[in-house]
Amino acid sequence: DSGVTQTPKHLITATGQRVTLRCSPRSGDLSVYWYQQSLDQGLQFLIQYYNGEERAKGNILERFSAQQFPDLHSELNLSSLELGDSALYFCASSVKQGYEQYFGPGTRLTVT
Amino acid sequence: EDKVVQSPLSLVVHEGDTVTLNCSYEVTNFRSLLWYKQEKKAPTFLFMLTSSGIEKKSGRLSSILDKKELSSILNITATQTGDSAIYLCAAGNNNDMRFGAGTRLTVKP
Repeated sequence: DSGVTQTPKHLITATGQRVTLRCSPRSGDLSVYWYQQSLDQGLQFLIQYYNGEERAKGNILERFSAQQFPDLHSELNLSSLELGDSALYFCASSVKQGYEQYFGPGTRLTVT
Repeated sequence: EDKVVQSPLSLVVHEGDTVTLNCSYEVTNFRSLLWYKQEKKAPTFLFMLTSSGIEKKSGRLSSILDKKELSSILNITATQTGDSAIYLCAAGNNNDMRFGAGTRLTVKP
């Protein structure tokens, strides 16, 4: 158990819908990262927050957005969902930027 | 564009064999390279390497970074079936980490 929690564990929704994935980092970690992992794409970095501020953006679609709240938990919002958005979404946290990241158990999103 | 390339993509060995997994990177303002093991769940952290030539070791696993060659290797000695997993390498700066596609290791009894 890494200490990073993610909810929900599984999510099944229809195309065009909007969902919110939630992540609570390890106690004391200020940095939160979001990743998407699909079978054909591997682990893709989406976005990073540090102490409430966005610090880096990766391959994140405009339909996706995220934020980190004052209590350091983070949410990833996915809208206008498409079939291709089906994937495992991981959140990871680290004490500082550039340090080892600890991954949560992931949220498996299925878009039908 | 930043990239991380791992080789081989897949490897099948027998218990007791020694394996070497490779990772090469091209990352702007490189700061660290990380190795993770992923079974049927989230990646678990193995090593973080920031300095060239210093070996990190944990049991049968060891890793070393070569900044001149922009690469790292992960060695696993006396492999066991429990070592079967995808091994991910990530390299990055202070902002984001770029992950490789992973090496799928299968250890047969």
